[in-house]
Amino acid sequence: DQQVKQNSPSLSVQEGRISILNCDYTNSMFDYFLWYKKYPAEGPTFLISISSIKDKNEDGRFTVFLNKSAKHLSLHIVPSQPGDSAVYFCAASATIKAAGNKLTFGGGTRVLVKP
Amino acid sequence: DVKVTQSSRYLVKRTGEKVFLECVQDMDHENMFWYRQDPGLGLRLIYFSYDVKMKEKGDIPEGYSVSREKKERFSLILESASTNQTSMYLCASRGREGWGYEQYFGPGTRLTVT
Repeated sequence: DQQVKQNSPSLSVQEGRISILNCDYTNSMFDYFLWYKKYPAEGPTFLISISSIKDKNEDGRFTVFLNKSAKHLSLHIVPSQPGDSAVYFCAASATIKAAGNKLTFGGGTRVLVKP
Repeated sequence: DVKVTQSSRYLVKRTGEKVFLECVQDMDHENMFWYRQDPGLGLRLIYFSYDVKMKEKGDIPEGYSVSREKKERFSLILESASTNQTSMYLCASRGREGWGYEQYFGPGTRLTVT
């Protein structure tokens, strides 16, 4: 039973346009969300995060939106660049102590930015 | 910069062999994690450790064990490797609570069991 789902396995976008990646979760205890980016043969690198007390967090070209009532978050990349071509993972954490320090990851979305 | 290193980038083992995957972090992090990554399944947590000699099962611990004798080192052990353990194995570390929830990953070990 996947608690974090990324329903689009792949996304193709033209350079300069917006990339929108979506993530849905089912566990209402999740209150902290992260996006990671992964290139082939490398480990994932942290991109951006958001706490459930916010609905938006922005860092340069990357913005994450959180809709708690819909249990949905999205990552916007504007403008998309060829170097953004990678697999993006959504992850969620329940920050109460009893939950430990675990992150639950989605299945990933492969983004291809075409020049 | 946090650095997480893994002992091998690529490993080929035979069915039934005992396999050791080592991970070392240099940031004095309390928490360390082992994941496996498979296409379409994302990263799945195998085991994690929140202190020396402490360990907890993740979501898919069957067929694996771990060891954490020193704070900087976390080992994943496949007691008797099987072909369904062919995967990319990723180690991560994280500081204590209050330091942020980001985990920092090593480059991964691509394990093939034949």
